[in-house]
Amino acid sequence: GAVVSQHPSWVICKSGTSVKIECRSLDFQATTMFWYRQFPKQSLMLMATSNEGSKATYEQGVEKDKFLINHASLTLSTLTVTSAHPEDSSFYICSAKESPPNSYNEQFFGPGTRLTVL
Amino acid sequence: LAKTTQPISMDSYEGQEVNITCSHNNIATNDYITWYQQFPSQGPRFIIQGYKTKVTNEVASLFIPADRKSSTLSLPRVSLSDTAVYYCLVGESSYKLIFGSGTRLLVRP
Repeated sequence: GAVVSQHPSWVICKSGTSVKIECRSLDFQATTMFWYRQFPKQSLMLMATSNEGSKATYEQGVEKDKFLINHASLTLSTLTVTSAHPEDSSFYICSAKESPPNSYNEQFFGPGTRLTVL
Repeated sequence: LAKTTQPISMDSYEGQEVNITCSHNNIATNDYITWYQQFPSQGPRFIIQGYKTKVTNEVASLFIPADRKSSTLSLPRVSLSDTAVYYCLVGESSYKLIFGSGTRLLVRP
């Protein structure tokens, strides 16, 4: 099956620094990738939709200047958490849809990145 | 996007069949029903997807009545490793997925 990787798997940083998380589709091309955030014991919350070669579409309440998304190629999307603060500590998960999309809605999820901001 | 409602949690024992029902009264004509499984500190994993009637694969079955306002995920003979959160999602094939609260399944020995 299709594989999506994320790097790093976990990161600890100081408050005020920026952190970049990479999401890669390893064996398929993905025109569209999605970024989610998940707090402990809660569901996944969609943050933004990342489209290759164009600006990301952010969900309501998600600050686009805080969470910078770049989808520069068909296999790589990056999420940069700028000026991170402790409240940004969370589990960040990306997913990707094959391009061209198959007949189903299957998204392939990465393993997630645990961000801890001290 | 159609909203889904699932039980918050379910308990079962090893070897039993588990059925998790999801309500989606506002499902649209073009919407598919998809179920994902998530273990702690991992990304969700696709289990099964369907549009109507019954779908079966090597890990689960999905039952969808004619009105499509609900669906039931059936896990045959669960094991301890099936303890996870199960999400029911409804959406169009090319659209984003919005996760609901999911069902936390605990399988006991």
